Amino acid sequence: AQSVTQLGSHVSVSEGALVLLRCNYSSSVPPYLFWYVQYPNQGLQLLLKYTSAATLVKGINGFEAEFKKSETSFHLTKPSAHMSDAAEYFCAVGGTSYGKLTFGQGTILTVHP
Amino acid sequence: DGGITQSPKYLFRKEGQNVTLSCEQNLNHDAMYWYRQDPGQGLRLIYYSQIVNDFQKGDIAEGYSVSREKKESFPLTVTSAQKNPTAFYLCASSLPGQGFQETQYFGPGTRLLVL
Repeated sequence: AQSVTQLGSHVSVSEGALVLLRCNYSSSVPPYLFWYVQYPNQGLQLLLKYTSAATLVKGINGFEAEFKKSETSFHLTKPSAHMSDAAEYFCAVGGTSYGKLTFGQGTILTVHP
Repeated sequence: DGGITQSPKYLFRKEGQNVTLSCEQNLNHDAMYWYRQDPGQGLRLIYYSQIVNDFQKGDIAEGYSVSREKKESFPLTVTSAQKNPTAFYLCASSLPGQGFQETQYFGPGTRLLVL
């Protein structure tokens, strides 16, 4: 079985500050890992994904994530937060069953002026 | 433009009523999925389909039914057996060719409310 834990259901940062959203996973097989973003009352949009090609993955809107096997982590970062980054972020893991993903509970990011 | 459409955006259900949520995609994807989203619980898989005329139960299939008669369409019926249907429902699709690292693409969602 696979599982995902997102540490912190709410994260608040100031505009221009570092964004760090934490994700730890559990998987019995080499995982494929994803970060999605959701704006209010909308669907999910893919930010980035890890598929074993490189441990540091760059995504859209200046976000990146680093796969650390020893720590079973895939934390999402952005050097400088923008007001438009305020949204809910989901980490997801796949790789054990054709096309299926297991999602974390989400982290709501608030950006203060 | 290619994408996934869901309708309606809002849906109201009366007690004892079955309602159907529509999901259509023009991405030529073989696989389609239905998720339920509740606050603080992330997304939970209801049903998924890898090819036409085939589908499998997800983690919370009780009280729901689906059909997959066409590649483009994967409607979800919320039956009267689902006692707590109020939620945000998301449909997704993905290509089969990339195997386990498939990216799922999501529709805009349908919010179901009980009258």
